[in-house]
Amino acid sequence: GAVVSQHPSRVICKSGTSVKIECRSLDFQATTMFWYRQFPKQSLMLMATSNEGSKATYEQGVEKDKFLINHASLTLSTLTVTSAHPEDSSFYICSADLEGPTDTQYFGPGTRLTVL
Amino acid sequence: GNSVTQMEGPVTLSEEAFLTINCTYTATGYPSLFWYVQYPGEGLQLLLKATKADDKGSNKGFEATYRKETTSFHLEKGSVQVSDSAVYFCALSTMYGQNFVFGPGTRLSVLP
Repeated sequence: GAVVSQHPSRVICKSGTSVKIECRSLDFQATTMFWYRQFPKQSLMLMATSNEGSKATYEQGVEKDKFLINHASLTLSTLTVTSAHPEDSSFYICSADLEGPTDTQYFGPGTRLTVL
Repeated sequence: GNSVTQMEGPVTLSEEAFLTINCTYTATGYPSLFWYVQYPGEGLQLLLKATKADDKGSNKGFEATYRKETTSFHLEKGSVQVSDSAVYFCALSTMYGQNFVFGPGTRLSVLP
């Protein structure tokens, strides 16, 4: 149980285009999902917290107009990187919050974005 | 603020060696503590967790004990395998699974 999927796993795009990444909780409902960015050989940096039915909460320094987050249902959150540039190339990982007495985040497999 | 410190890697061991990866934390209140593992090119997988002091989390031969007095959650395994080669992240959460804070990660390489 508690499986989180991401799609696509890998995407290459041209500079200036927009890319959408999907995060799905497959066997549970997630009112809260999280988006992280991971640079090579570094730890995860929280970008934003995605709440179903409401606006996402962005961490300081993350441009909300560049990284659009939509949490339209209890099993799906999307991250759209708008007008992507080479510096946006990174590994993007989502996680979903499994609510309960011992709450834990479960992570998706990640999406490798390369902007040419 | 809350923070997690891990021993710097990379750590290189021979197969069947004993593994310890140190993790210490700073947090207000009573955090839950986690170890996640990341294999090359993949996302993070929960390895084990502990939610209160003196709890021991264990999975796949790995163990870690929540030590409140030393604010530590060291990861141990008695006999590592080549397949254990990965990056290991220590993490804490302080509010119902949210407010996750990750350590910098420790890369482990196990040689045959």
